[in-house]
Amino acid sequence: RKEVEQDPGPFNVPEGATVAFNCTYSNSASQSFFWYRQDCRKEPKLLMSVYSSGNEDGRFTAQLNRASQYISLLIRDSKLSDSATYLCVTYTGTASKLTFGTGTRLQVTL
Amino acid sequence: SQTIHQWPATLVQPVGSPLSLECTVEGTSNPNLYWYRQAAGRGLQLLFYSVGIGQISSEVPQNLSASRPQDRQFILSSKKLLLSDSGFYLCAWRIGGGYTFGSGTRLTVV
Repeated sequence: RKEVEQDPGPFNVPEGATVAFNCTYSNSASQSFFWYRQDCRKEPKLLMSVYSSGNEDGRFTAQLNRASQYISLLIRDSKLSDSATYLCVTYTGTASKLTFGTGTRLQVTL
Repeated sequence: SQTIHQWPATLVQPVGSPLSLECTVEGTSNPNLYWYRQAAGRGLQLLFYSVGIGQISSEVPQNLSASRPQDRQFILSSKKLLLSDSGFYLCAWRIGGGYTFGSGTRLTVV
């Protein structure tokens, strides 16, 4: 079983739609959680951290459920520029490392 | 400002040839540094990480090695490349809660 699991997609949505991505993780020792965005053939870039109380950054909302070991990302009012692969990431301090999911691909269309 | 440099951007190497990829960071001291690989259609896999000069931790057995000869320099090497070494190699460092990646090296072994 993968340590971080995501639906690979692709999710094809029209501009203006709301789309949600889910992620589950298996390591209960995971301490921090992030969503990264990766454009085609580029390096991943931090989109936002995920906090237990949930957090919002503009059109993006992240949620964490530690009991279920579940993370989500909601994108409202999708833009064409949101088209990318979204990586769910956990951090384990004891190993000082990030563990990445394989990513969910989003394609926003006109 | 804090920056991370990685080169070359692309590399095509024959099977059995050596490899040396370099990563340097600026604007900080004693950073945690990481080498990740992303194979086609797969997630990012942590290869090595380093918490200081000469300190290297290896995550998976493989045909690669890493060295940290200076505080802000991290090198990924191989004596003889295999076809399976092809992939997108990313250097990263930890800044605050998140990680920042270099622009990556796309290696094709032929």
